[in-house]
Formats: sequence, structure tokens, C-alpha cells
Amino acid sequence: GAGVSQSPRYKVAKRGQDVALRCDPISGHVSLFWYQQALGQGPEFLTYFQNEAQLDKSGLPSDRFFAERPEGSVSTLKIQRTQQEDSAVYLCASSTPLGGYTFGSGTRLTVV
Amino acid sequence: SQQGEEDPQALSIQEGENATMNCSYKTSINNLQWYRQNSGRGLVHLILIRSNEREKHSGRLRVTLDTSKKSSSLLITASRAADTASYFCATAHGSNDYKLSFGAGTTVTVRA
Repeated sequence: GAGVSQSPRYKVAKRGQDVALRCDPISGHVSLFWYQQALGQGPEFLTYFQNEAQLDKSGLPSDRFFAERPEGSVSTLKIQRTQQEDSAVYLCASSTPLGGYTFGSGTRLTVV
Repeated sequence: SQQGEEDPQALSIQEGENATMNCSYKTSINNLQWYRQNSGRGLVHLILIRSNEREKHSGRLRVTLDTSKKSSSLLITASRAADTASYFCATAHGSNDYKLSFGAGTTVTVRA
């Protein structure tokens, strides 16, 4: 597609529930990133894929967070046993080696 | 952790006026990028400036970089209501320059 597509757009989860957030990057973009943006803050890096390889997951806040990109295109960010502090907008971005990311519109997760 | 800090936090201007916002960072960079985020949307890449560049233009946008002061500025000339958004600087550092560090952003309101 023309841009990075994320779904769902909004997700309300009960505390303790597992959630899965999907990202469809721009076709052909090798690099894919997940960021977490708390209300009123800038995005914080979570993890980075090059094709199907997860090269950096240093930003994942706990072992409840897991990301995958099994075929090097679509990626899923999974959060297990959600907590209230997980409430944020989760942004996916893809890029080419020339730099400059293309971000999706994000998934706004609210944990109640 | 967030490397960049934007100043001011918020800015309100009249349509047609110029808007200037600044970004300071802590450690040496490979490049610095500016992004715009409209309310509830993803980030849109505006300009990337490399560490060996001092100034860059794109339409009504002008970005400067002073690596000796570890600071950058974004100037929007002849502002329009559609420029109302949050603006973020993001820095890329060292060998992990795929990992962007964002500031908390400057919220710009352009009054008609």
C-alpha cells in the first residue's frame, strides 16, 4: 500500500488481557520499527526489525512485550497480561536506507 | 530515554506569522530529523539534516543545525491554520542510528 497501516486503530483491554497489534509496512521497506508514545510525550523506541530478523529489542519495557515479523513484511506487537501503564499509542514505522521514517497512524491502547 | 528537548513546549501564533522552535540534544549525532504530528495521527517526516550540514530548506520549512551547541531550530514561514500540530525533533546516534530519540515536542497553534 501507499503508507504504513496499523490495526486496530483503538483497543480497549481489561487489565490482564493479552492484546495483539498489527503493522503493515510499506511494500519493500526492509526496516520496521515499533515505538510507544505516552500521552503528551515523544515516541520511545521499542524494537527494530531488518526483514524478519529482530536486531534490537532493547526498548521493550518488560518480558510481557513480544514482537515478531515472521515473513519480513507484516509485524505484530503482542502485550501479555496488560497493565494500566501499558496505555499508550503504539506507532509502527518503516524506512529505506536513505533515512526518514514513514509512520503509521498508530494504535491507541487503553487498559482499564 | 529522550535525548532531544524542544523549546518552547507550546507556541501560539497568528496565521501568516513565522514559527520558530528549538531542539537541544546531549550527545553527538549522525543526523537530526523533524516530524509533525497532527492530533490523533502518526508522525509525518519533514526534514532530515546530517551532522555535516548546517542548514536545509523544504518549502516553507527551514532547519538549522549547530553541532557545537548541540542544537537545531525549525522555522515555519508564513504559517497556515493547517500547520497546527505538534513538532518533534529526533536524533540518531552512533552505530545504532536506526534508533531515533525523540523530544517531548512543541505544540504549535496557528490562529486564523
